[in-house]
Amino acid sequence: EVQLVQSGAEVKKPGESLKISCKASGYTFTSYWIGWVRQMPGKGLEWMGIIYPGDSDTRYSPSLQGQVTISADKSTTTAYLQWSSLKASDTAMYYCARHSGSGKYAHWFDPWGQGTLVTVSS
Amino acid sequence: DIQMTQSPSSLSASVGDRVTITCRASQGISNYLAWYQQKPGKVPKLLIYAASTLQSGVPSRFSGSGSGTDFTLTISSLQPEDVATYYCQEYISAPLTFGGGTKVEIK
Repeated sequence: EVQLVQSGAEVKKPGESLKISCKASGYTFTSYWIGWVRQMPGKGLEWMGIIYPGDSDTRYSPSLQGQVTISADKSTTTAYLQWSSLKASDTAMYYCARHSGSGKYAHWFDPWGQGTLVTVSS
Repeated sequence: DIQMTQSPSSLSASVGDRVTITCRASQGISNYLAWYQQKPGKVPKLLIYAASTLQSGVPSRFSGSGSGTDFTLTISSLQPEDVATYYCQEYISAPLTFGGGTKVEIK
């Protein structure tokens, strides 16, 4: 069974750094794009970016480029989303999700992780 | 980048009604379109991919159609458990943009 299990909720202060994780299992980690989706409180889904763990090819949303870093560790089959300096506006639910098909063609997201709530407040 | 515009942003309908949600792409995306359902407090769930292919396990009252720039998601007979927000997403090329969402409520 394909599973994506995300790290737990985080409460951070502005300016702090953070790295959240998405542990994948049940499939060949290096053969599927895996990505991150942001959902700010009361708002819609926002595509943040994707990484292909096989060769670390990474694509970012233009609006978020430079604000976050997406990475993947093949040895632990885990994808990461990290911030070097959080802002209050980073408060959101963050979902990881895998592309449904293997290879570097674009696909829809399925399955999804359970979400990680990040709260940034002074 | 491709923009995805959904309409309406919200709707209220009676149980048993036929409900239609539209999604328009700013440029042609062939049939590279997916629909997701997100119930309150829950993880988004894939309903339809390739514009009209129903994901396994999704009730047959859901259907999708369209190609190019204009797409629709139809619920043939609205049920109480269909209360949710519905999102379209294009996946022809990164960034893989979501539509703004359509909130469906029961009247």
